[in-house]
Amino acid sequence: AQSVTQPDIHITVSEGASLELRCNYSYGATPYLFWYVQSPGQGLQLLLKYFSGDTLVQGIKGFEAEFKRSQSSFNLRKPSVHWSDAAEYFCAVDDNAGNMLTFGGGTRLMVKP
Amino acid sequence: EAGVVQSPRYKIIEKKQPVAFWCNPISGHNTLYWYRQNLGQGPELLIRYENEEAVDDSQLPKDRFSAERLKGVDSTLKIQPAELGDSAVYLCASSLYNEQFFGPGTRLTVL
Repeated sequence: AQSVTQPDIHITVSEGASLELRCNYSYGATPYLFWYVQSPGQGLQLLLKYFSGDTLVQGIKGFEAEFKRSQSSFNLRKPSVHWSDAAEYFCAVDDNAGNMLTFGGGTRLMVKP
Repeated sequence: EAGVVQSPRYKIIEKKQPVAFWCNPISGHNTLYWYRQNLGQGPELLIRYENEEAVDDSQLPKDRFSAERLKGVDSTLKIQPAELGDSAVYLCASSLYNEQFFGPGTRLTVL
């Protein structure tokens, strides 16, 4: 069965600093990978997705993620964090093009002024 | 375009009481999902519908949970009777192709 691990439960960064959120997955074949963001009291919003092709994926709100097959990772990055990026971030893996998502436990991002 | 609508947003009940959640997916989306999100965790799939048919309900606790999607549009998730451990956020999502769109969720508190 597929699984997703987000090793960092909480991360605090200063506004304007760079950000990297880690995601490791376990899946036997080529996975479909997603990053979602959840603000308090809100549903999940898709930031970006990887299905195939270029391993560096650009998303909304200035986020990007890089798929590294050799490390079974799909880390999320942003060069300069804004206070509005404070939220919970979820990595997810799927074996059916978005129809059967398995989520990681999430990483809560806090941004210091 | 309207997003996924869920109601109620919050519900507080006593244990052993019944409760129901309603979801209206994005128009035209054939696939509908119900997830449960426990505090501090990622969402876990409860059931997936393709139109009216429940195609994956392996994670739905069938002794107390039930769901329906009449006419392949709106869906209702019911718990009867509720237990303390059912306190969670219940998320509904819908999709047409390969992206799931989530509603704001219903936060259930069982006392």
